[in-house]
Amino acid sequence: EAQVTQNPRYLITVTGKKLTVTCSQNMNHEYMSWYRQDPGLGLRQIYYSMNVEVTDKGDVPEGYKVSRKEKRNFPLILESPSPNQTSLYFCASSPRTGGITGNTIYFGEGSWLTVV
Amino acid sequence: KQEVTQIPAALSVPEGENLVLNCSFTDSAIYNLQWFRQDPGKGLTSLLLIQSSQREQTSGRLNASLDKSSGRSTLYIAASQPGDSATYLCAVTPSLTFGSGTQLTVLP
Repeated sequence: EAQVTQNPRYLITVTGKKLTVTCSQNMNHEYMSWYRQDPGLGLRQIYYSMNVEVTDKGDVPEGYKVSRKEKRNFPLILESPSPNQTSLYFCASSPRTGGITGNTIYFGEGSWLTVV
Repeated sequence: KQEVTQIPAALSVPEGENLVLNCSFTDSAIYNLQWFRQDPGKGLTSLLLIQSSQREQTSGRLNASLDKSSGRSTLYIAASQPGDSATYLCAVTPSLTFGSGTQLTVLP
């Protein structure tokens, strides 16, 4: 089954304690992206990757890092989390050539992160 | 850098009305444009995909159009129902850039 898997789905952590949210896709997609969603602010792009070892900053990259060492994985790293990073995070992937079916952007189920 | 804008940010209509949601993008070099629906606290559900070579797509009461040269797409919802109440988002590939969404409320 084609899917994007995020872990953990729910996490409460303390300020300053490094954490990683993993994202893995099994569709051999080139493009992957991380978003945060806050009330009234829509989906804001954090980082974006066009392929292995290629990453670009989105609209809100401060406080986050990513890596793309393998095509299937795109982890989001919070080196020193702060309370303003409390949010719902989504990972997404898309094929380079675009989709021919009814969907071309695949989402993970979301990760609820609370930093206290 | 691609930017996607959705207007209006919120819309409230009585049941049965036809309505149009708007999406605009700044860089016309897109592969596809996709419309999603999101219910509160839930993930995103894909509604319609329009490839860059297409002009429109239809699914049931939904019709999406794409004018790539002007950087615009519209989502038309016919005979709206209370169950259509949700936030509607558009996104373009390959940049995977999303608009901020239109929050739709259909009143019974």
